[in-house]
Amino acid sequence: KNQVEQSPQSLIILEGKNCTLQCNYTVSPFSNLRWYKQDTGRGPVSLTIMTFSENTKSNGRYTATLDADTKQSSLHITASQLSDSASYICVVSDRGSTLGRLYFGRGTQLTVWP
Amino acid sequence: EADIYQTPRYLVIGTGKKITLECSQTMGHDKMYWYQQDPGMELHLIHYSYGVNSTEKGDLSSESTVSRIRTEHFPLTLESARPSHTSQYLCASSPLRDRGPSTNEKLFFGSGTQLSVL
Repeated sequence: KNQVEQSPQSLIILEGKNCTLQCNYTVSPFSNLRWYKQDTGRGPVSLTIMTFSENTKSNGRYTATLDADTKQSSLHITASQLSDSASYICVVSDRGSTLGRLYFGRGTQLTVWP
Repeated sequence: EADIYQTPRYLVIGTGKKITLECSQTMGHDKMYWYQQDPGMELHLIHYSYGVNSTEKGDLSSESTVSRIRTEHFPLTLESARPSHTSQYLCASSPLRDRGPSTNEKLFFGSGTQLSVL
């Protein structure tokens, strides 16, 4: 069964600290993996996309990694800010159908305290 | 900011009422989607559309219906709302390049409608 598991479920850090969120997946065949940020009461917004051949990609203070062999991805946030408080959702796309089906994780709820 | 809009943002109604959740996008995207999201849970696809006059059911069974008469508009209707329909409904769109595997599609989401049925 294709699944996407995220950890931790929730995380509280102090402003200025770094943190790493994890995503493990069993989706096969793998197409790509996206990290989305969802602010409270808003829709998710794409942060970055990782394809099979990519190991690391940065978007400002966000750095995503992908290990396609172990089927793991991480999202590292550097020098956290209060505005980073949100749910971070890992979404994996397969290549098994013409639709490129999407599999969603439940998200990691990050809270940044001043 | 994505140019995709949902109304209303919040809706509280009584059981048995008919409701329509509106979704519009100005990006000219062919693909549109409706997702249902409960707190702490993953998004579940309930409907999608490839373009005008195309509608398909998603992975999660839903008593709602959708229509796609215009490219920019993808409303969702519940004929008779029940408390079990209480949830957040997210509309999204993406450009359709072809019906084959779309490997790099990014979804653009609206802000959602929080529906509460009493």
